[in-house]
Amino acid sequence: QVQLQESGPGLVKPSQTLSLTCSVSGGSITSGGYYWNWIRQVPGKGLEWLGYIYYDGDTFYHPSLTSRLRISLDTSKNQFSLRLTSVTAADTAVYYCARGVSVSITLFGDVIPRLGWLDPWGQGALVTVSS
Amino acid sequence: DIQMTQSPSSLSASVGDRVTITCQASQDITNYLNWYQQKPGKAPKLLIYTASKLATGVPSRFSGSGSGTHFTFTISSLQPEDIGTYYCQQYDMLRLSFGGGTKVQIK
Repeated sequence: QVQLQESGPGLVKPSQTLSLTCSVSGGSITSGGYYWNWIRQVPGKGLEWLGYIYYDGDTFYHPSLTSRLRISLDTSKNQFSLRLTSVTAADTAVYYCARGVSVSITLFGDVIPRLGWLDPWGQGALVTVSS
Repeated sequence: DIQMTQSPSSLSASVGDRVTITCQASQDITNYLNWYQQKPGKAPKLLIYTASKLATGVPSRFSGSGSGTHFTFTISSLQPEDIGTYYCQQYDMLRLSFGGGTKVQIK
């Protein structure tokens, strides 16, 4: 079955760029019908969805992060990556990658594809922003 | 933005008890709602999708119901391995959002 694994530095200095990679095994990242997502969780707090990249390269980001966040695909390595610029202590969190299933929803009478549920998830990577 | 409000934020119940968690959406999300379980120190795991469908391999003691703005998640008979935090998540909008979580403990 598909498995995901995050990797990257565990410590980033304030104002620098946080970079993480999610390696996907057991399936191709270019398989149609899947969204590849990043979610984070401040220790002891709830879940915050950050954004996705679709298998065709289309992206969508949390509105509060559009100026700082980029998600990209590396099809040759079957990976996708997150880059978050100008980090502060507020970006300290466990970062998860997850596969999102595409579903069809009805919106104003039209049937459209949409990111549905997240399954499976990677084990998570703690990133601390500190000098 | 769609706000998801879960209640209670925490609960303590005995083994074998029926446990119910509610999730209220700030607007009609049809049945575009999922439930996840997060055990301590682990990643979340999908339990229920589209409000009431059981994910593969998930025990039948877990169930979900609801539509519109009000949703319910139930554990019919609480087991020791069910301790953790449960989250609802909506997908009516492109931007996914989660409820604040319900921490379930054994009394």
